[in-house]
Amino acid sequence: DVKVTQSSRYLVKRTGEKVFLECVQDMDHENMFWYRQDPGLGLRLIYFSYDVKMKEKGDIPEGYSVSREKKERFSLILESASTNQTSMYLCASSSISDRESGELFFGEGSRLTVL
Amino acid sequence: AQSVTQLGSHVSVSEGALVLLRCNYSSSVPPYLFWYVQYPNQGLQLLLKYTTGATLVKGINGFEAEFKKSETSFHLKKPSAHMSDAAEYFCAVILVSGGSYIPTFGRGTSLIVHP
Repeated sequence: DVKVTQSSRYLVKRTGEKVFLECVQDMDHENMFWYRQDPGLGLRLIYFSYDVKMKEKGDIPEGYSVSREKKERFSLILESASTNQTSMYLCASSSISDRESGELFFGEGSRLTVL
Repeated sequence: AQSVTQLGSHVSVSEGALVLLRCNYSSSVPPYLFWYVQYPNQGLQLLLKYTTGATLVKGINGFEAEFKKSETSFHLKKPSAHMSDAAEYFCAVILVSGGSYIPTFGRGTSLIVHP
């Protein structure tokens, strides 16, 4: 089974702190994604990556950055956390090939509260 | 560009009743289609998917969905609701043609099951 692991299920941070959210997948997927989920707004794409050292902005990249130094790891960074970044963050991975149809495999989520 | 519309942010049914969650998409070419389920404080897990072939697809937990190209729909059904089906459901599409495979999600439908 594909496993996507997010390092922290629950975090509480203070305004202005730097926050790292880590995500690791074990299926050698080339694609990795970070979403945030808020009530009534569904999933909104923050950043994604098609390969190591590659990153692309999603729909709401402001206030976030990402790092992909290794294929299995995709990190989301909040340079200076703000209260409006309180949310559930979901990491996902996928692959497009003859065997895989691109569906996303999700981690359990990281619920971040910024005070 | 592709988009996904889920009709109804909340659907309420009685236990044993038919479950019908609606999903319509707009896409210039036939996409890959997915339904995901999310239980409280968890990530999303795949219920079922349509890529090619038979338009009626069956998934886990007794759910099924039918791809109707003429209606650009991919509605999710379950003949008899169970209390354990109470969750958030997301429809998603991936437009694979042209090398783009970023999933687009609907805003989600919360299924409420009454005893």
